[in-house]
Amino acid sequence: QKEVEQNSGPLSVPEGAIASLNCTYSDRGSQSFFWYRQYSGKSPELIMFIYSNGDKEDGRFTAQLNKASQYVSLLIRDSQPSDSATYLCAAQGGKLIFGQGTELSVKP
Amino acid sequence: EAQVTQNPRYLITVTGKKLTVTCSQNMNHEYMSWYRQDPGLGLRQIYYSMNVEVTDKGDVPEGYKVSRKEKRNFPLILESPSPNQTSLYFCASSSGGHEKLFFGSGTQLSVL
Repeated sequence: QKEVEQNSGPLSVPEGAIASLNCTYSDRGSQSFFWYRQYSGKSPELIMFIYSNGDKEDGRFTAQLNKASQYVSLLIRDSQPSDSATYLCAAQGGKLIFGQGTELSVKP
Repeated sequence: EAQVTQNPRYLITVTGKKLTVTCSQNMNHEYMSWYRQDPGLGLRQIYYSMNVEVTDKGDVPEGYKVSRKEKRNFPLILESPSPNQTSLYFCASSSGGHEKLFFGSGTQLSVL
């Protein structure tokens, strides 16, 4: 069974801090990786995607990929209370597999 | 406005009573998919469609049917719902296969 694993949290960080969300995947054939944000009671929304090893930055968000370690992470700099949500990691090999999500809470 | 529209938003039904959840997208996407989301289990794919008249099973297809007669519509059919199908359902679409999904607002289904 191909899996994507995330710590369910909750991960609590103070406002202005860096939030680090982690994800591991079991399928070495996975080529594309995605981070979705899901506010409580809402639908998931794509915020980042990464295909190559290394870092990809978009505003306050940085996605990091290490295919050798089968590890993906999302860093959120200068965290805001509005970043409080569940973050879903997804890996695509033949299929798109989602992790169970990490709940992030940013405290003012 | 580009969107994926699901209806209804909430649905309470009884065991065995056939129901349909509709999904429509206005982005001319080829790919559409249905997911269910359960606490601790994340999003699990039920069925997907790469284009009109092309559908395939996801990871949890048992008890569900789909059809793709038109590009914009992808209804989910539960012909004989059971309580274990109580869940939050999402329809999604994309222009590029499984990736970069746009999700509908969700349907909370309760089967009594």
